[in-house]
Amino acid sequence: GAGVSQSPSNKVTEKGKDVELRCDPISGHTALYWYRQSLGQGLEFLIYFQGNSAPDKSGLPSDRFSAERTGGSVSTLTIQRTQQEDSAVYLCASSLDWASGANEQYFGPGTRLTVT
Amino acid sequence: GDSVTQMEGPVTLSEEAFLTINCTYTATGYPSLFWYVQYPGEGLQLLLKATKADDKGSNKGFEATYRKETTSFHLEKGSVQVSDSAVYFCALSRPTGTASKLTFGTGTRLQVTL
Repeated sequence: GAGVSQSPSNKVTEKGKDVELRCDPISGHTALYWYRQSLGQGLEFLIYFQGNSAPDKSGLPSDRFSAERTGGSVSTLTIQRTQQEDSAVYLCASSLDWASGANEQYFGPGTRLTVT
Repeated sequence: GDSVTQMEGPVTLSEEAFLTINCTYTATGYPSLFWYVQYPGEGLQLLLKATKADDKGSNKGFEATYRKETTSFHLEKGSVQVSDSAVYFCALSRPTGTASKLTFGTGTRLQVTL
């Protein structure tokens, strides 16, 4: 398809386990963003990529969270030793470039993570 | 830091009523402003945007005007439909040379009834 895709759509994991969330951006989009949507915190920025590098990791809530992007395309968000407060919907977005604030970000459907 | 404040919801309206959802922002410089919409069970979709003062963004009958003097970007629609029921998010983006992340408001749920 032409849009941003994310997998899995739903993930239930036990506290303490590691999880990986995947994002496939729109082809040709150089910028990729991860956000988190939760009831208590609303929509929060986590990290963004320009190509394969991540100039802004300021939103990652702890060192249990990490992300990488390879080939300027697919990105993986990894959460180690998951905690119940990590339960949220994780959203990925992409845009044509990073330099223009007016550049529209297109969002994927999200991955709903539930930590039991 | 940057912030966006939206009116509390939920907002409940009858079909064909006039809609206003207030949004104000705090940011240095000249941010770009956006409204995103999230329909039930779906992802975030860009509804409209404005990139400079006095710009009016419009789409699907919705409008919002970038007011620098009042730091506002209120969303309006003259006649809502049941299909407009969704959560609406106001957001800003301020390019810093290294990032143009979105800062969102808390969202306003709109419910339109027959």
